[in-house]
Amino acid sequence: AQTVTQSQPEMSVQEAETVTLSCTYDTSESDYYLFWYKQPPSRQMILVIRQEAYKQQNATENRFSVNFQKAAKSFSLKISDSQLGDAAMYFCAYRSAGYTGANSKLTFGKGITLSVRP
Amino acid sequence: NAGVTQTPKFRILKIGQSMTLQCTQDMNHNYMYWYRQDPGMGLKLIYYSVGAGITDKGEVPNGYNVSRSTTEDFPLRLELAAPSQTSVYFCASSSTGTGFGGYTFGSGTRLTVV
Repeated sequence: AQTVTQSQPEMSVQEAETVTLSCTYDTSESDYYLFWYKQPPSRQMILVIRQEAYKQQNATENRFSVNFQKAAKSFSLKISDSQLGDAAMYFCAYRSAGYTGANSKLTFGKGITLSVRP
Repeated sequence: NAGVTQTPKFRILKIGQSMTLQCTQDMNHNYMYWYRQDPGMGLKLIYYSVGAGITDKGEVPNGYNVSRSTTEDFPLRLELAAPSQTSVYFCASSSTGTGFGGYTFGSGTRLTVV
């Protein structure tokens, strides 16, 4: 079974600064997908960024980018030019590729609460 | 396009009561999921469905039941509510079991059992 670990329960960043949120995972599969979800106080789960394991190039979405290290099974999220609206809980998640049924599920880490200081 | 709609948004139950959490999606997605979110624990899969008439257990199914009579609806039933079922519940859907698309989530139901 796959596991996702987010070891930092909380982080804080100054507005306009850069912050990196860490995530590691454990799997024996070679093909899979990785995601970062944002959960603001509204509770809505919002997809921030996603990465395909077979692509070496790191995904980027505006101020959000990832550092995907497949051999190290690491998938960190970098937020540049942090804004007050970035304050939220962030979840790292894993999904197998090429499977159906229960293996199609997302496996989540425990999440990290990010606060942004004005 | 409403996406995934969950009702109610909040509910307080007494121990032993029963209730149904409703989930409807209008994207014609085959796959639907129920997760629960507890503080510091991430999201855990309760039940999932790969299509109408087909459901299966996830990691934490005890105390819950589901049905999938249509593609659109995937209600979650709590029988004999217990304090351990106090949680935030999310319904989600995806078009297939594979692929890069991730999930579309509902806005969640906060349930308190007292």
